[in-house]
Amino acid sequence: EVQLVESGGGLVQPGGSLRLSCAASGFTFSSYWMHWVRQAPGKGLVWVSRINSDGSSTSYADSVKGRFTISRDNAKNTLYLQMNSLRAEDTAVYYCAKGGSRVADYWGQGTLVTVSS
Amino acid sequence: QSALTQPPSASGSPGQSVTISCAGTSSDVGGYNYVSWYQQHPGKAPKLMIYEVSKRPSGVPDRFSGSKSGNTASLTVSGLQTEDEADYYCSSYAGSNNLVFGGGTKLTVL
Repeated sequence: EVQLVESGGGLVQPGGSLRLSCAASGFTFSSYWMHWVRQAPGKGLVWVSRINSDGSSTSYADSVKGRFTISRDNAKNTLYLQMNSLRAEDTAVYYCAKGGSRVADYWGQGTLVTVSS
Repeated sequence: QSALTQPPSASGSPGQSVTISCAGTSSDVGGYNYVSWYQQHPGKAPKLMIYEVSKRPSGVPDRFSGSKSGNTASLTVSGLQTEDEADYYCSSYAGSNNLVFGGGTKLTVL
């Protein structure tokens, strides 16, 4: 059974940093592209970032470029999102999802990040 | 990276059909056959319902179908059931290995 379990969310002050993790199991993690997608409270889904299967290629939404860094450890079956210079508008549930470069086919349950003083 | 445009709400009675639209541009929906649709129940993770415009993942009922014409994609739910009441989001490949989502449509089964 495919499982994606996000962790690392919490309350952080504006300008602070946080690292999210996504532990994967039930599939060959190293064969899949991975995505981060966020959802602000009561709002829609917004794509944040993606990484290819071996970690050699990444891309980001303009709103997080230069502040967020996606990475993966295929030996640990884990995806990461390092978030720096956090702003109030980054407050959201962050989902990790597996898939390809053009689709996210299975999603975790998400972790809530709240940026507030 | 502008969001795709979806109607905020749609509704139908049990047994009826409803279609949700997703408008983009030639740089996303119109430029690639990589439109996906997701279903999200309150407090739950999104679930993939349609990929590559009209393909259904294993386990998704054939009551769900997708299509595309020009820069607009559509999701049709036939034979509406109460459990279909949820938020639905479209997404499209937008080039440079990026994805873009629509704003979401709340489907109400009357």
